[in-house]
Amino acid sequence: KQEVTQIPAALSVPEGENLVLNCSFTDSAIYNLQWFRQDPGKGLTSLLLIQSSQREQTSGRLNASLDKSSGRSTLYIAASQPGDSATYLCAVKPFQKLVFGTGTRLLVSP
Amino acid sequence: DTEVTQTPKHLVMGMTNKKSLKCEQHMGHRAMYWYKQKAKKPPELMFVYSYEKLSINESVPSRFSPECPNSSLLNLHLHALQPEDSALYLCASEQGEEAFFGQGTRLTVV
Repeated sequence: KQEVTQIPAALSVPEGENLVLNCSFTDSAIYNLQWFRQDPGKGLTSLLLIQSSQREQTSGRLNASLDKSSGRSTLYIAASQPGDSATYLCAVKPFQKLVFGTGTRLLVSP
Repeated sequence: DTEVTQTPKHLVMGMTNKKSLKCEQHMGHRAMYWYKQKAKKPPELMFVYSYEKLSINESVPSRFSPECPNSSLLNLHLHALQPEDSALYLCASEQGEEAFFGQGTRLTVV
């Protein structure tokens, strides 16, 4: 059974810091990995999708990497802003469904 | 347009009521999903529809009944729910690899 863990569970930083969020999964047989953002009580917003054959993806201040062999992904957020405050979820896709990680709650203070 | 629309946004229902949640997408996606999310937990898969046919039921109680009337619409019919069914219900659609989520329906069972 695929298990996905995210570290840290919570993170509080001042504005402007560069951040690294970690995601690890137990089974490397995945089609892709997706990073999402979730604001309190809201739905999920897709941030980045990394195909299983890819090593990384970039969008603006966000960069995500994937190492399938070690079962790890990282989400790098450059120059964090208060608007980045949210819960960040990674999800792997073994087959026809997403298995979500436990999430990292991020608070960026002005 | 990468929008998945869910209605209603909020729903309060009694344990003897029958209600339905609705999800709509016009991206031509052929896979649609229902997820359930409890507070401070990651989303958990309930159902998957592929090409309008139910392909995955994650052992969901029969008081939840999904329906896919056409390729753009996904319903979740609710009957005789329990207070522990109170949660955020998320709909998602997917074409190829990337999943897109709606804003969710916050369900409270009283």
